[in-house]
Amino acid sequence: DSGVTQTPKHLITATGQRVTLRCSPRSGDLSVYWYQQSLDQGLQFLIQYYNGEERAKGNILERFSAQQFPDLHSELNLSSLELGDSALYFCASSVGLQGWEAFFGQGTRLTVV
Amino acid sequence: AQTVTQSQPEMSVQEAETVTLSCTYDTSESDYYLFWYKQPPSRQMILVIRQEAYKQQNATENRFSVNFQKAAKSFSLKISDSQLGDAAMYFCAYRSGKGSGNTPLVFGKGTRLSVIA
Repeated sequence: DSGVTQTPKHLITATGQRVTLRCSPRSGDLSVYWYQQSLDQGLQFLIQYYNGEERAKGNILERFSAQQFPDLHSELNLSSLELGDSALYFCASSVGLQGWEAFFGQGTRLTVV
Repeated sequence: AQTVTQSQPEMSVQEAETVTLSCTYDTSESDYYLFWYKQPPSRQMILVIRQEAYKQQNATENRFSVNFQKAAKSFSLKISDSQLGDAAMYFCAYRSGKGSGNTPLVFGKGTRLSVIA
């Protein structure tokens, strides 16, 4: 158990809908990262938050957004969903400025039908 | 931007034998970290081994070891005495040392390892 919790584990929704994925980092970890894993694109970095503030942005679509709350949990919002958004979404966390090891949650499997 | 390349989409090994998975990376930075992650069928991403670029000594974790060639920008993973439980997708990953290492991981496409009984 990595200590990173993601909910839900599975999500099936229709095109055009909006969903929210939730991540609770390990206790004490200040950084949260979101990754998308699809069959054709591999593991793609989406966005990073550090202590509540956006720190880095990767290949995140404008239809997607995220935030990190004061208790350090994070949410990834996906809207106007398309079939191509079907993927495994991972959250990872790390300690912060001294930490260089990222711990991953079990992922949320999103299926858009 | 940094890139990570895993040139072997699939590999197989006999149980109890040794296998080496290849990884090369491209960076202009001198301070960085390298990782191998394992993703079994459960989909969980599990850290296998890590290497700091400033360390010349190759990292070792039980049956797993790396061959880190900084000048060649190569970071291969050797699995000794392969076990059935080693069957998984293996990802090589790079993290910049900027920001005290608190930067996103850049992943390769992965190598699927099969272990034959």
